[in-house]
Amino acid sequence: ETGVTQTPRHLVMGMTNKKSLKCEQHLGHNAMYWYKQSAKKPLELMFVYNFKEQTENNSVPSRFSPECPNSSHLFLHLHTLQPEDSALYLCASSQDQGPSYEQYFGPGTRLTVT
Amino acid sequence: DQQVKQNSPSLSVQEGRISILNCDYTNSMFDYFLWYKKYPAEGPTFLISISSIKDKNEDGRFTVFLNKSAKHLSLHIVPSQPGDSAVYFCAAKSFISNFGNEKLTFGTGTRLTIIP
Repeated sequence: ETGVTQTPRHLVMGMTNKKSLKCEQHLGHNAMYWYKQSAKKPLELMFVYNFKEQTENNSVPSRFSPECPNSSHLFLHLHTLQPEDSALYLCASSQDQGPSYEQYFGPGTRLTVT
Repeated sequence: DQQVKQNSPSLSVQEGRISILNCDYTNSMFDYFLWYKKYPAEGPTFLISISSIKDKNEDGRFTVFLNKSAKHLSLHIVPSQPGDSAVYFCAAKSFISNFGNEKLTFGTGTRLTIIP
């Protein structure tokens, strides 16, 4: 596996379910990110981890809970979501955080909350 | 309040011609700008970037122009090829000095279709 992988690619869950999204990067990067892309809206940054430490929480509701056990893996735990949380969730990683470090994205998880 | 705007949701260009994608921003603290390309069912992939100290950066068929006074940047693709058909996102970075972190702010994207 190369690059940034995300599983599952598609997820349908009810509002009372608990599920987790997984992201893994094979690039040796130190920073990882979760983004949300809703229909006809720009990508919104949710969380940033740098060297496994959360460095940014962009006012995300507590029903989204990130976990970064090591610098290669990032999880997004979901519970009691709302239908408006249906979106494409993208994971990204970068070597570090600085002006010239571009972010590499995974393919995303298409989440539908029913 | 959208700080990075791509006002054209779609653009169609004949193969071989020049494609020009535009992006406007409102935050004067942005100091680095990027273009990403996204195919269906894939994540965005980095295409080209430009620092705020430059006004032009070129990489093969792709050139990004930055007009800081107008808070405007554009991506030129010439000649356009069918494989360039994708959604193009403009993004901007501002360095958050408190934690030393950065925040990447995206536009809504422009769907480019190259007509053979």
